[in-house]
Amino acid sequence: AQRVTQPEKLLSVFKGAPVELKCNYSYSGSPELFWYVQYSRQRLQLLLRHISRESIKGFTADLNKGETSFHLKKPFAQEEDSAMYYCALSNYGGATNKLIFGTGTLLAVQP
Amino acid sequence: GAVVSQHPSWVICKSGTSVKIECRSLDFQATTMFWYRQFPKQSLMLMATSNEGSKATYEQGVEKDKFLINHASLTLSTLTVTSAHPEDSSFYICSAGGGGAGEQYFGPGTRLTVT
Repeated sequence: AQRVTQPEKLLSVFKGAPVELKCNYSYSGSPELFWYVQYSRQRLQLLLRHISRESIKGFTADLNKGETSFHLKKPFAQEEDSAMYYCALSNYGGATNKLIFGTGTLLAVQP
Repeated sequence: GAVVSQHPSWVICKSGTSVKIECRSLDFQATTMFWYRQFPKQSLMLMATSNEGSKATYEQGVEKDKFLINHASLTLSTLTVTSAHPEDSSFYICSAGGGGAGEQYFGPGTRLTVT
């Protein structure tokens, strides 16, 4: 079964500290993975996708097929990074490309 | 960029009445839209996939007759909560499929409170 697991509900770090938001997935095919972010009182928005191999706002995420993980990392956290982060798996190959979301991790960056 | 709007942003209704929520793609055409439900401090739960010109595909456990979805045009999908009950109170979010596989543009959500 397709599943996305984010083991941490809350991650609290101090400004300037490294951040790693964990995401593991279960998928039988070739996965398309994404990180979505929801800042306070804002809509959910795409942060980055694994196929782009890009760095957005200092965040990167590498797909590790051996460990079935797609952890989100940033070397130095900023207060404005505080938000809810969702890892998502695309139903690749399905006609509708629906997303399966993890339960989310609330990142709180303390000053 | 792609913008998705929802209307209303919040609504209060009495138990037993029906409420319609609109989801519009403002600057692009969306053949596929998605409806989610989000409980406080919880993840998004996909309710259904709305395809323009055809019937919606509902996720397991979602009542089709209670949550009516219509996607009559490439820019508008509607969700009607019929015979609403207090347990239907929630945050409803729609999204539209983007250019890339799995990419979705989300609306701001609609807060429904049933009294």
